[in-house]
Amino acid sequence: AQRVTQPEKLLSVFKGAPVELKCNYSYSGSPELFWYVQYSRQRLQLLLRHISRESIKGFTADLNKGETSFHLKKPFAQEEDSAMYYCALPFLSGGYNKLIFGAGTRLAVHP
Amino acid sequence: SAVISQKPSRDICQRGTSLTIQCQVDSQVTMMFWYRQQPGQSLTLIATANQGSEATYESGFVIDKFPISRPNLTFSTLTVSNMSPEDSSIYLCSVVPSGRPTGELFFGEGSRLTVL
Repeated sequence: AQRVTQPEKLLSVFKGAPVELKCNYSYSGSPELFWYVQYSRQRLQLLLRHISRESIKGFTADLNKGETSFHLKKPFAQEEDSAMYYCALPFLSGGYNKLIFGAGTRLAVHP
Repeated sequence: SAVISQKPSRDICQRGTSLTIQCQVDSQVTMMFWYRQQPGQSLTLIATANQGSEATYESGFVIDKFPISRPNLTFSTLTVSNMSPEDSSIYLCSVVPSGRPTGELFFGEGSRLTVL
């Protein structure tokens, strides 16, 4: 069955430290994964998708099929990165496309 | 992109009553979804709102409890029926704009429901 696992509920770092938010998935096929972010008092929004291979706000994520992972990384965390981060996996089921989310990781960046 | 308006943004309801949440999008979209986010939890997909036909519900969600309408490509409603305190949640409307891949969702601000 399709599943997205984010093992850490909270990740607390100091400003300037590297950040890695973990995401593992279970999917039979070639997955297409996404990271979403929700800043305080804002709506949930797309951060990046693995196919685009781009860096958004200094964040990157590489799909590792061998480890079935899609970890989100940033070399130097900033206070404004503090937010909830969700890893997400779209899949086709019963003829319908769906997007499932991991449990989310709260990133807290301290000054 | 798509601008999504959800109403109400929040409400406090009595047990046993029903509440309808509206979702209006400023452009035509291919897909509309309703999610639930319970306190401290992640997002759970309730159903896919299909234009002109019955919604497709996920396991654990039924039409009698969460009737959904989607009369056109830009509007949908979700009703939470016969509410109990366990229904206290944020309900989120999300869409995939035309021409965008399935995984690129845009979200409304959510409707925060508290059931007493």
